Amino acid sequence: GAVVSQHPSWVICKSGTSVKIECRSLDFQATTMFWYRQFPKQSLMLMATSNEGSKATYEQGVEKDKFLINHASLTLSTLTVTSAHPEDSSFYICSASLRGLAGGLYEQYFGPGTRLTVT
Amino acid sequence: AQTVTQSQPEMSVQEAETVTLSCTYDTSESDYYLFWYKQPPSRQMILVIRQEAYKQQNATENRFSVNFQKAAKSFSLKISDSQLGDAAMYFCARGPSDNAGNMLTFGGGTRLMVKP
Repeated sequence: GAVVSQHPSWVICKSGTSVKIECRSLDFQATTMFWYRQFPKQSLMLMATSNEGSKATYEQGVEKDKFLINHASLTLSTLTVTSAHPEDSSFYICSASLRGLAGGLYEQYFGPGTRLTVT
Repeated sequence: AQTVTQSQPEMSVQEAETVTLSCTYDTSESDYYLFWYKQPPSRQMILVIRQEAYKQQNATENRFSVNFQKAAKSFSLKISDSQLGDAAMYFCARGPSDNAGNMLTFGGGTRLMVKP
C-alpha cells in the first residue's frame, strides 16, 4: 500500500514552453503533498507544500508564478513549469502525506520522480 | 534555520562489514521525528528507518540500526553485514511532531559505496 506515482517519468521540452507533472496517490487519500527539486548529486530541496483545495505554500526563493501547483483532489497534485528554461532542468520529486494506521506520525511516501530536460 | 548536517559526502565499506553514517541536526522542538532514507540509482526514495525523539530506545530494522543521542542532536545510521544492494545515497531527515504538514528537512546526503 501507500504508492505514489508520477507522470511522466522523463520529459524533454523546448525553452519557452510549459510542462505539467502529475503526482498521484494510488491507494490512499493525501490531504498534503510536497514537491521537491533535486539537482545532480545534491539533496532534495522542498519547493512547496500543497494542500487539497487550497493554495500551495511556496518555500522562499521559489517563484510561484513559474511553478504552478494545483491540488484539485485528495489523490492528485500537479506541478506546471511555465515558460521553461534550461536552468529549470532538474529532477522533480513529489511526496504524499498519510497518517499511520495507529495514529500519530504522518508518513511521507515518495513518487519515483520526473526528470525534466529543457533544451 | 533549522538544519540537518551529514558530514560525510562519501563512505565506502567492504561487503559483509559494518558502516556508520553520521547525521547531526538542529531543532528547538522537544518532540520530533528523525528518518534515514535511501536513494538508489533509480532515484526512488525509500524509507530505511525512523526514530521518534521522545523514545529513548534506538530504532532497529533488520540490518539497520540507529544511535540516537538527543542531547547531542546526533542520529547516526549503522548498517551491518553490508550488501552490494546497500550502495546508494543516504539522506538523514528531520520532521516535526505529529501533524499533517510534516515538512521534512533533509541533510546533504552520503554516498555509500560497497566493495565486493
